[in-house]
Amino acid sequence: QVQLVESGGGLVKPGGSLRLSCAASGFTFSDYYMSWIRQAPGKGMEWVSYISSSGVSIYYADSVRGRATISRDNAKKSLFLQINNLRAEDTAVYYCAKYGTGWYLGHWGQGALVTVSS
Amino acid sequence: EIVLTQSPATLSLSPGERATLSCGASQSIRTDLAWYQHKPGLAPRLLIHDASSRATGVPDRFSGSGSGTDFTLTISRLEPEDFAVYYCQQYGSSPPGTFGQGTKLEIK
Repeated sequence: QVQLVESGGGLVKPGGSLRLSCAASGFTFSDYYMSWIRQAPGKGMEWVSYISSSGVSIYYADSVRGRATISRDNAKKSLFLQINNLRAEDTAVYYCAKYGTGWYLGHWGQGALVTVSS
Repeated sequence: EIVLTQSPATLSLSPGERATLSCGASQSIRTDLAWYQHKPGLAPRLLIHDASSRATGVPDRFSGSGSGTDFTLTISRLEPEDFAVYYCQQYGSSPPGTFGQGTKLEIK
């Protein structure tokens, strides 16, 4: 079955950088758009970024544009998110998700906690 | 940006009862709406897409309805495992769309 496993979360100081990874299995990774969504403590879900199946089409939320880079390695069935110049407001659980046949998220990972604090 | 408003924020019901959760859009999104279930510490789960299509493996006690700006998720008879937070998400506007703020379904 579809599995998405995030890694790379942790405690980072303001201004620091972090690279999140998502290992995918159970489906043809190279066929699907993928996304990162985050949930800050006590808040709702927020889109961070998505990437097309080939990696050509990319979107960033205004909150991370210019600081974040999404990428993928289809051969290794992996999705990545690098965020630089981290801020306290980036503190959240970051979820990797796979799109369905439309612009809805068919499968999600369990998330990786990123805490930005001095 | 299309804003989704979910109501109520919290719904307190007992197992066996019927749950009705609402999601309103600030402008028409046709039927481009999904519902997700989220339990603490677990991966969110897709329940409904395209307003009324149940995702694979979702029990038929879950149903979605609506179009345009008003949408409803109904759980016909609550099971203990249904108590969770439910989010709606619209994808009618330019991708990737937006989420509602969630409805917490709690045991009464």
